[in-house]
Parts: sequence; structure tokens; C-alpha cells
Amino acid sequence: DTAVSQTPKYLVTQMGNDKSIKCEQNLGHDTMYWYKQDSKKFLKIMFSYNNKELIINETVPNRFSPKSPDKAHLNLHINSLELGDSAVYFCASSQVAAAGYEQYFGPGTRLTVT
Amino acid sequence: AQSVSQHNHHVILSEAASLELGCNYSYGGTVNLFWYVQYPGQHLQLLLKYFSGDPLVKGIKGFEAEFIKSKFSFNLRKPSVQWSDTAEYFCAVIRSGNTPLVFGKGTRLSVIA
Repeated sequence: DTAVSQTPKYLVTQMGNDKSIKCEQNLGHDTMYWYKQDSKKFLKIMFSYNNKELIINETVPNRFSPKSPDKAHLNLHINSLELGDSAVYFCASSQVAAAGYEQYFGPGTRLTVT
Repeated sequence: AQSVSQHNHHVILSEAASLELGCNYSYGGTVNLFWYVQYPGQHLQLLLKYFSGDPLVKGIKGFEAEFIKSKFSFNLRKPSVQWSDTAEYFCAVIRSGNTPLVFGKGTRLSVIA
């Protein structure tokens, strides 16, 4: 059983396009996250949602918009894609939005913008 | 700003060698500490975590880490590495409340036969 799943696994698109990445968790967790891992493997939080409400929004361009239809899903929509958006995007979830809870990561979506 | 430093960018070891990967953080308050591993082409998996209590934490696959509060460190160790330990290792720190998990830049471990 997949705990945190993401689709698609690979996404190749051209500059200026709009694309979405989907994330689902079947762990019953309340909190979900999006991270970006750049070409140097550096991981940085982008967004965090707790029970469908945004609780963390790091410095991310407005072109990135997370949407949480329910607490099991957190999708990432990206408008007007740029070359610098090429990265691996990881979704994660944790039981609650508190420091003492482990985050479980999805398999990642490798986005390549050409 | 809170930061996490991993001093080694790339470590190359022979099988059966001992491993120690350094991790230091800058925040002075109460923190929770994690080590995650990312095998080639895979997602992050938790190796171990420290919340409180015994500062020597044992994780999966023979890994352990020691929290030294006075040094703001949480170094990862393994007495004898295997080829299958080849991966990227990330230290991460989180404060209390709705603060983000902050990752170090990762250390790539290559284990050669």
C-alpha cells in the first residue's frame, strides 16, 4: 500500500505552460507539505497545509498555487513555467502540524522545463 | 534564521569502514532532529529521530546518532558501512509549533567494494 503517492512521476514541459502535480496520502494524516529539491539536492519547504488550511507559505513565487480539496490531497499548480522551476518536487504528510511528528515523503515528481 | 549545516558534501568509503556524518544547527531553543536517507532515484526515508530523552538514538539499518546539545550537533554514525548504504543523507531540524522542517544540504555517501 502506497502511503504518499504523487502523479506524475516525470513531467517534461515547455516554458510558459501551466501544469499540476497531484499528491495523495492514505495515512489519515492532518498535515501535508510540498518541498522542492533543486539540482544540488537541496530540499526546501514550499507550503504546508493542515486540515485544508494553509499554515506555512515560504517565499515562493505567486505562480505556484497549492490546492487542498480535502485533507488527504494536496495538489500543486504551477503557472507560466520557467526554466528555474526544473527540480524534483516532493509531497509529504505528517500526523499533525507539530514538531514531534515524522514526515512521510512521496516518491517525487521530476519536473523538467525546456 | 535557523540553519542546518552538513559539513561533508561527498564522502567515499570502502565497505566495512566506519561512518560519521556531521550535522550542526544554529537554533538555540528546543529542537527535534532527524536524519533522512534518499537512495538513488527514491524518496526520502526516515533513518532516526531525536525528540527527548537518551541523546544516543538508534535507527534502522544499524545507524545511530548522538545529540550533543552543547555543540548543537546531531552526528550520524554507522560502525561498518555496506555497498547498499550508498545514498544521500539529510539532517533536518524542526522547532516547536507550525515551523517548517529545515534540511541540511545533504551528504552524498558512496561506498565502494
